[in-house]
Amino acid sequence: QQQVKQSPQSLIVQKGGISIINCAYENTAFDYFPWYQQFPGKGPALLIAIRPDVSEKKEGRFTISFNKSAKQFSLHIMDSQPGDSATYFCAATLSGSARQLTFGSGTQLTVLP
Amino acid sequence: KAGVTQTPRYLIKTRGQQVTLSCSPISGHRSVSWYQQTPGQGLQFLFEYFSETQRNKGNFPGRFSGRQFSNSRSEMNVSTLELGDSALYLCASSFLGQGDTFGSGTRLTVV
Repeated sequence: QQQVKQSPQSLIVQKGGISIINCAYENTAFDYFPWYQQFPGKGPALLIAIRPDVSEKKEGRFTISFNKSAKQFSLHIMDSQPGDSATYFCAATLSGSARQLTFGSGTQLTVLP
Repeated sequence: KAGVTQTPRYLIKTRGQQVTLSCSPISGHRSVSWYQQTPGQGLQFLFEYFSETQRNKGNFPGRFSGRQFSNSRSEMNVSTLELGDSALYLCASSFLGQGDTFGSGTRLTVV
């Protein structure tokens, strides 16, 4: 009930291409879905987040698509750049009083120059 | 403003010892959460504190404990260290349920 499944495990994209990472969740009570970007030696950094009352959210080159009925959400990185090479984690949580992020297993993105 | 500060950055301990890690949240953030990150298990939730009270706890043995002080700074303690406790321990703070900001973590190696 608490799992968040993320795919693919690794992704190689050419510069300027679109990177797509998918996540699926089980707990229908989750109501906050953030994406994190992590560089080696650093902690995860919040990239973009969505709530289930919205089907899509865009911030710059990053877009989250959310499908509530399928319990799936995805991150699209448009015009991918070598500087985007990092590990990306999807997560889900209840936005109530107790914070507990359930993370996906991560996707290692490599953007080739 | 300053981010989440975790100390120390690196730590090497021997099996059976105990360790205390420290986290200073962003000023004004009263919620502090701790996570363990390993290559095999990924990012796993340890516990969350708000106003000095533990509100939530993950599925970790009792050897893992924490506390939060009145200034919102938090510490986590691991007693009787095992080799499998080697991991990156991450602290995150948040304000009124908004996005969590993570520190750079403490890399613990148990030998």
